[in-house]
Amino acid sequence: EVQLLESGGGLVQPGGSLRLSCAASGFTFSSYAMSWVRQAPGKGLEWVSAISGSGGSTYYADSVKGRFTISRDNSKNTLYLQMNSLRAEDTAVYYCAKAHTRYSSSWYILGYWGQGTLVTVSS
Amino acid sequence: DIVMTQSPDSLAVSLGERATINCKSSQSVLYSSNNKNYLAWYQQKPGQPPKLLIYWASTRESGVPDRFSGSGSGTDFTLTISSLQAEDVAVYYCQQYYSTPPITFGPGTKVDIK
Repeated sequence: EVQLLESGGGLVQPGGSLRLSCAASGFTFSSYAMSWVRQAPGKGLEWVSAISGSGGSTYYADSVKGRFTISRDNSKNTLYLQMNSLRAEDTAVYYCAKAHTRYSSSWYILGYWGQGTLVTVSS
Repeated sequence: DIVMTQSPDSLAVSLGERATINCKSSQSVLYSSNNKNYLAWYQQKPGQPPKLLIYWASTRESGVPDRFSGSGSGTDFTLTISSLQAEDVAVYYCQQYYSTPPITFGPGTKVDIK
C-alpha cells in the first residue's frame, strides 16, 4: 500500500526557513517523479515543485523559484522541500504527491497524495 | 501558463440525480502526436487530500466508481457523476498537464446534496 507521510510544518516568522519531509513507502520510490502541491486555507490547489525519480531534474512554480529547493534521498525513500525567505502568502497545507506511473508523460498525473503538513508564516 | 476555469462554482444535486461539472482550458491540451488530452480530475473531500479520479480526460482511475466519467477534448471538458451519492460531496478540480511546468488546476467546483 502506498503511503506518503509529510512532516516538518509549523509556525515560522516572515523571512524564516523550514524544511518539509515526505516519507514514502509501498512503492519503488526512486522510479517515480514526485511533486509538492500546496493549498492555502479555504483556497484551491497550487503546484509548487517537482523532481524526477533520479533527482536529476527539478522544476518550480514562479512563485517559489529562488526561494524553495526540492530534493530527494532515494536511499531513505524521502522527499524534501527546503523553504527559505518565507512570506505570509506561503501559508498553506503542503502535500507531497506521487506520479501516477513511471513514464515521463504522466509525471504530473498525481496518483497519490499524502495527508499534508500545515505551514503558517506569521509574526 | 495555461489557465483553467470551471463552472459552476458550486452545485447542489438531489441524491441519485446527475451532476455535471465543466472545465475549460485557455489553450488546447490535446497532444496531436498521441491524440491524448492532458487533463485530469481530482476529488477532495472535507479534511482530506485530493484523490485522482480521471486522467487522459476520460480514463477512470482504478477503484473509482463507474458513476464518475470524464469527457471532452481540446479546451472543453466535463466531469459527470451519473447518480450522486452522499459520499460524493466534495470539491472537484480539473488539472492540465499538457504544458509543464507548471501544472495548473481549476478553481474547484463544490458539490453538495440538495
